[in-house]
Amino acid sequence: ETGVTQTPRHLVMGMTNKKSLKCEQHLGHNAMYWYKQSAKKPLELMFVYNFKEQTENNSVPSRFSPECPNSSHLFLHLHTLQPEDSALYLCASSQGTSTYEQFFGPGTRLTVL
Amino acid sequence: KNQVEQSPQSLIILEGKNCTLQCNYTVSPFSNLRWYKQDTGRGPVSLTIMTFSENTKSNGRYTATLDADTKQSSLHITASQLSDSASYICVVSAKRNDMRFGAGTRLTVKP
Repeated sequence: ETGVTQTPRHLVMGMTNKKSLKCEQHLGHNAMYWYKQSAKKPLELMFVYNFKEQTENNSVPSRFSPECPNSSHLFLHLHTLQPEDSALYLCASSQGTSTYEQFFGPGTRLTVL
Repeated sequence: KNQVEQSPQSLIILEGKNCTLQCNYTVSPFSNLRWYKQDTGRGPVSLTIMTFSENTKSNGRYTATLDADTKQSSLHITASQLSDSASYICVVSAKRNDMRFGAGTRLTVKP
C-alpha cells in the first residue's frame, strides 16, 4: 500500500444521484490531487490542494465539487453526472506541489448509467 | 497533440524476454522525467526519476535512459516476469510545477 487510501473502490450511479469519493493520506504530505483516468488517455489533473487551499482547477465542470477539510483528507462530491464521466478517479498526495513525487491511491472506478 | 508521446501503445512479450518502451516529449522548460508502473486496478507507482543531468538510472530490472537534447526517454525491462504486466506511464515535469502525462504503454508478459 502506498499510504493513500480511497473509498469506495467501485461506484455505480445514475445521472440524478449525488455521491462522494473519499481520499485519505497517511504520509504527512501537504498537497493532494484529484485525477481522472479514461481508457487509453493520459491522466487528467482535475484539482490541486496545498495546505488545504485549492491552488488549481483545470476547467472542471461544476458537477464535480472538491472539498479538503484538512491536509489528510480530500473529497470529490458528484452530482448530475454524465455517462462520459465514467472513468477511474485517482487521488494522489505529495510533500509539496513543485516536483515532489506524487503517491497515488488505488482509485475509484466510477460508472455513470 | 499531447506534449508527452509514448510508444508503442501496447506490447506483448514472452516471459524472460527484454523490452524497451519509448517516451518523446516537448515539455519545456524541463525539470524531471518519471516512469510510473500502474497495475490493473491500482494507482501508479514511481519507478525512476531523472533530472536534466542524468542519462541513465536503474531500479532492479528496470533501466531508464534520458536524452535531454533529443527529448527522448526509454524504459528498458530486462528478463521480464509475469508481474511486469502493467501500464507504464511517462511523466514529464516543467519547472513551473506543471506535470504532463503520457497515455501509457500497456505491457503484457505471457508465459
